[in-house]
Amino acid sequence: GAVVSQHPSRVICKSGTSVKIECRSLDFQATTMFWYRQFPKQSLMLMATSNEGSKATYEQGVEKDKFLINHASLTLSTLTVTSAHPEDSSFYICSAPVTESTDTQYFGPGTRLTVL
Amino acid sequence: LAKTTQPISMDSYEGQEVNITCSHNNIATNDYITWYQQFPSQGPRFIIQGYKTKVTNEVASLFIPADRKSSTLSLPRVSLSDTAVYYCLVFQAGTALIFGKGTTLSVSS
Repeated sequence: GAVVSQHPSRVICKSGTSVKIECRSLDFQATTMFWYRQFPKQSLMLMATSNEGSKATYEQGVEKDKFLINHASLTLSTLTVTSAHPEDSSFYICSAPVTESTDTQYFGPGTRLTVL
Repeated sequence: LAKTTQPISMDSYEGQEVNITCSHNNIATNDYITWYQQFPSQGPRFIIQGYKTKVTNEVASLFIPADRKSSTLSLPRVSLSDTAVYYCLVFQAGTALIFGKGTTLSVSS
């Protein structure tokens, strides 16, 4: 299947700092990417849809000024958690659909964020 | 809200066939059915996807009846490494996947 990478795989930061997470489609182009968050023992929750060349679309309850999304190219979307707090500690996962195969979506390996 | 309903958990033994059934009574004409596997602290891994009838690949089979209101993921001869959470989802091309709680499969020796 198609490959989606994320960087970093895990990050620990102090409260109040900002953290950037990268999501890359390695062997295909993705005009759309999706960002999810997963808390322990819970399912994935959709945070936002990242659109190449335009603004991201955020789900209800997700603060757009706190979770900045930039989709600067057809292979890269970034999620920046600004002024992170301990409650932002979570597992962040991105996905991208491969349009050549009925939009099957492939997920990145995830990024574990721990805010101290 | 997730559009699917599936058992919260299932138990099996190594070497057995496991069938996980998913209900999606309100599936739309344009919806596809897709299944993912997730291990702890990893992103979901695509297993199989279909629209109707039967789909088979190297790891699983997907059975979809004519009314498409349910589907069954069949895992042949499971091993301990198949212990994971399995998600059934319905979606339209180009849209995000909305996850339900999934089915936690536990395989014992």
